[in-house]
Amino acid sequence: NAGVTQTPKFRVLKTGQSMTLLCAQDMNHEYMYWYRQDPGMGLRLIHYSVGEGTTAKGEVPDGYNVSRLKKQNFLLGLESAAPSQTSVYFCASRQDRGRRNTEAFFGQGTRLTVV
Amino acid sequence: GNSVTQMEGPVTLSEEAFLTINCTYTATGYPSLFWYVQYPGEGLQLLLKATKADDKGSNKGFEATYRKETTSFHLEKGSVQVSDSAVYFCALSGKLASGSRLTFGEGTQLTVNP
Repeated sequence: NAGVTQTPKFRVLKTGQSMTLLCAQDMNHEYMYWYRQDPGMGLRLIHYSVGEGTTAKGEVPDGYNVSRLKKQNFLLGLESAAPSQTSVYFCASRQDRGRRNTEAFFGQGTRLTVV
Repeated sequence: GNSVTQMEGPVTLSEEAFLTINCTYTATGYPSLFWYVQYPGEGLQLLLKATKADDKGSNKGFEATYRKETTSFHLEKGSVQVSDSAVYFCALSGKLASGSRLTFGEGTQLTVNP
């Protein structure tokens, strides 16, 4: 059981380049999330999805877009990368059981550097 | 909106010392509360949780009690080990209407020396 898998694990981009981060989960979870982790700031929510075909903005959505065309995949796109987007990105998924106490499962992260 | 505040780190302890990491929160309604742990180079994993007032979550010798009167969820362990060295995050779960998204504290780096 792979859980939550993120690709790639590392990437270096030049300012203005674009890229897509892929998150795949094999637990049939309804909810999926993209977070960024920066020193001293914890994890901040970028975008999230409560089901296939739906997405919503989190705390820090500017400069990012997402898509959830299939239930198991959640894509995070950077259209024009900026140095401020240098961060570690985590994807998470969670089962919807009508309660908010279910465990979130995290991928191992993508370390992105924008130069 | 929801927010979580953790004690400032980093924290350095000797093996077998007592650990407390403070966590307080601000939220509407009755959130569920969590502690997640992140080992070097890995993603976050659930350490323990509590879903209502006075609940105590426990796992691997760690404990935390949901205190609604003080809006706190402090993490404790009686005797830490070198293997407990990691970053610890306190988090709360928001309303179902907002995807039950987790709001995290800043994280506390714990280093345990032999």
